[in-house]
Amino acid sequence: QKEVEQNSGPLSVPEGAIASLNCTYSDRGSQSFFWYRQYSGKSPELIMFIYSNGDKEDGRFTAQLNKASQYVSLLIRDSQPSDSATYLCAVNQFMLNAGNMLTFGGGTRLMVKP
Amino acid sequence: DTAVSQTPKYLVTQMGNDKSIKCEQNLGHDTMYWYKQDSKKFLKIMFSYNNKELIINETVPNRFSPKSPDKAHLNLHINSLELGDSAVYFCASSQHPGQTKETQYFGPGTRLLVL
Repeated sequence: QKEVEQNSGPLSVPEGAIASLNCTYSDRGSQSFFWYRQYSGKSPELIMFIYSNGDKEDGRFTAQLNKASQYVSLLIRDSQPSDSATYLCAVNQFMLNAGNMLTFGGGTRLMVKP
Repeated sequence: DTAVSQTPKYLVTQMGNDKSIKCEQNLGHDTMYWYKQDSKKFLKIMFSYNNKELIINETVPNRFSPKSPDKAHLNLHINSLELGDSAVYFCASSQHPGQTKETQYFGPGTRLLVL
């Protein structure tokens, strides 16, 4: 059974600090990794995806992937109270002509305190 | 313009009833999905349709039946509702099934409460 594990949190960081969110996955064949942000009562929205080992930066967000360790993380620099949300890690299982079947972790709740 | 829309937004009903949730996307995507998010926030895929054809059917009770009249619509019909069906149901769509970078766009969700 393919699994995606995240610490449920809450992870509490002060405003301006770096928030580090971690995710491990069990399927070595996974190709793509996604980070979604979900505000309370809202739908998930895509923040970033990564599919190559190393770092990928987009504004204040950096995704890090280590396929050998089956580990993906999301760093949020200069955290803002508006970043407070649940962050969902998703790992794809690619099925030909069927698209990505995403397996989601349980999410980490981030709280950024002013 | 809403990219992926769902109706209704909230649904409160009695055990044993039959209900439907509708989903429409105006993004021109070929693939649509239904997900269930339970009270512990786990988001699990239920169904995937590509161009009106069922592709993925995870272990979902056959009381749940998806229907896709065209590639812009994917509806979910639930028979004989049970307490455990209470959850938030999200519709999603994506464009390129064959690409690793393909991303999915989610609708606003339908909050179902079975009493």
